[in-house]
Amino acid sequence: EPEVTQTPSHQVTQMGQEVILRCVPISNHLYFYWYRQILGQKVEFLVSFYNNEISEKSEIFDDQFSVERPDGSNFTLKIRSTKLEDSAMYFCATRDEFDTEAFFGQGTRLTVV
Amino acid sequence: GENVEQHPSTLSVQEGDSAVIKCTYSDSASNYFPWYKQELGKRPQLIIDIRSNVGEKKDQRIAVTLNKTAKHFSLHITETQPEDSAVYFCAANTGGFKTIFGAGTRLFVKA
Repeated sequence: EPEVTQTPSHQVTQMGQEVILRCVPISNHLYFYWYRQILGQKVEFLVSFYNNEISEKSEIFDDQFSVERPDGSNFTLKIRSTKLEDSAMYFCATRDEFDTEAFFGQGTRLTVV
Repeated sequence: GENVEQHPSTLSVQEGDSAVIKCTYSDSASNYFPWYKQELGKRPQLIIDIRSNVGEKKDQRIAVTLNKTAKHFSLHITETQPEDSAVYFCAANTGGFKTIFGAGTRLFVKA
């Protein structure tokens, strides 16, 4: 069964550093998302991406964050100047149609120290 | 902004009993309502979903109901088993490109 894959599975970074989280969507999927889940809390929407541009973003997704598809296959989330409160699990999700199941990757656990 | 309220936050049932989790949403343009199960340290996985043109959907021991007028939808799990223990999230696709999740319900099924 096709899967959304994310790398790395765990990233530890110093406060103030930049990180790039990577996602490989399922091949025929058109809609891409990033979500964040702080430990023990709910899944929070960050951003959606369709047709090579951001479709919607939440209040969390400020200038510190950016997304891109650098090579037509990977979908990346860049976090500039990380803060302690950016520590969370980051999930990529993709879907093929607008109102169908979104498949989640296994997540990247980001720890900012 | 858009919001999804979920209750209860914790639910403990005896094996074999039913469990009901309720959610309400604020955006009347919402048209797709997935339910996810998340086990500890794992990714959310879809267990059932419902679209706004349907009032009820069932898949074996799991059923979901939707009341568009009240902006309310519920998950029903019958004949619960210990392996049903997990965190369950309701969500609403707001009609735009984002899906808003509820705060989650931690379900404990006691053997």
